[in-house]
Amino acid sequence: NAGVMQNPRHLVRRRGQEARLRCSPMKGHSHVYWYRQLPEEGLKFMVYLQKENIIDESGMPKERFSAEFPKEGPSILRIQQVVRGDSAAYFCASSPPGGSVEAFFGQGTRLTVV
Amino acid sequence: DQQVKQNSPSLSVQEGRISILNCDYTNSMFDYFLWYKKYPAEGPTFLISISSIKDKNEDGRFTVFLNKSAKHLSLHIVPSQPGDSAVYFCAAGAYNTDKLIFGTGTRLQVFP
Repeated sequence: NAGVMQNPRHLVRRRGQEARLRCSPMKGHSHVYWYRQLPEEGLKFMVYLQKENIIDESGMPKERFSAEFPKEGPSILRIQQVVRGDSAAYFCASSPPGGSVEAFFGQGTRLTVV
Repeated sequence: DQQVKQNSPSLSVQEGRISILNCDYTNSMFDYFLWYKKYPAEGPTFLISISSIKDKNEDGRFTVFLNKSAKHLSLHIVPSQPGDSAVYFCAAGAYNTDKLIFGTGTRLQVFP
């Protein structure tokens, strides 16, 4: 059973470009969470999605950031017009339906904006 | 508003000794707490959890203690091993939200 898969592992973008980060949850998991870790900081919650629904996006910046989890395919975190401050490690986690408190994390995507 | 705090950014412990990592929280509505371990360039790995209705949970060398009145939890690792060297995050959650609130992490170094 493959774990949570994130790609790419590393992504370099110039300021103003778009970044797309992908996350495939573990098999059987229908809940996906995105977290961001800035340098020297802990993980900050961004958004919680279930298939085709955004459940909680209270941690998402109001502009340039969006997330989706379509019926088919991976969850996508999209950052438009990236700026240097978006450079961070972005982690995706998944959990099964029904209330497991443990979330399994992917290896993360390290975004560098140059 | 930092709801989950890990006030020690780093800890150094000799192999074989006990490692104690601390975590404080401010929100009394949290239903459960978790500890994650993270190596560089990898995602966090779940270690151990505890429900808010318990005060202790043990799994092998790892024990988590919860003091609800003090809003404090701690992770004990005994005996510590060099492979335990990593960053440890505590996290808290509530059943009605499903999102985890993480502390800033404590870097543990276990030396021979």
